[in-house]
Amino acid sequence: EAGVTQSPRYAVLQEGQAVSFWCDPISGHDTLYWYQQPRDQGPQLLVYFRDEAVIDNSQLPSDRFSAVRPKGTNSTLKIQSAKQGDTATYLCASSFSGWEQYFGPGTRLTVL
Amino acid sequence: GDSVTQTEGPVTLSEGTSLTVNCSYETKQYPTLFWYVQYPGEGPQLLFKVPKANEKGSNRGFEATYNKEATSFHLQKASVQESDSAVYYCALSDLGGSNAKLTFGKGTKLSVKS
Repeated sequence: EAGVTQSPRYAVLQEGQAVSFWCDPISGHDTLYWYQQPRDQGPQLLVYFRDEAVIDNSQLPSDRFSAVRPKGTNSTLKIQSAKQGDTATYLCASSFSGWEQYFGPGTRLTVL
Repeated sequence: GDSVTQTEGPVTLSEGTSLTVNCSYETKQYPTLFWYVQYPGEGPQLLFKVPKANEKGSNRGFEATYNKEATSFHLQKASVQESDSAVYYCALSDLGGSNAKLTFGKGTKLSVKS
């Protein structure tokens, strides 16, 4: 069974540029999560979906970050105008009905 | 909100010695507690979870007991191996047995020398 896949694996931007991260969850998993993991920190939840619906986006900086999961399968996280403080690894995870979460390898973002 | 505090790293041990990583938590709910492990270039993976107070979880020689009175969930291993080198995270979910929303600690980096 394929795990959670993410792309790209790395991204380097200048401040003010936009970037999108893509996530393909495990087949059949209805719940999808995006986490931000700054260097030497634990993952911090940004947003999560049950099917195509956003369940909790309270930690998503809504002025610059957006996330969608239009068909309840793949998901895209976008940063509209990146800042140096956004430098982190962005992790996607999926689960079946909120049970064990399986994480992808992450996208390591550096904002110069 | 929920919070998790764990031993600050890095921790360096020799093979065959014992490990304890302290974890304490704060929540107003009845949490399920987890230990995750993360290897370089990978996402975290579940080591084990314990949904009920006063129960023990274990996997690969690691174990932890959910102590509700002390709000603690310390990770232990009697004899570490070089392959145990990784970052360990304590985490909680406040939705009963469902881990819909996880709160992680900052992580403890373990290096084991042969």
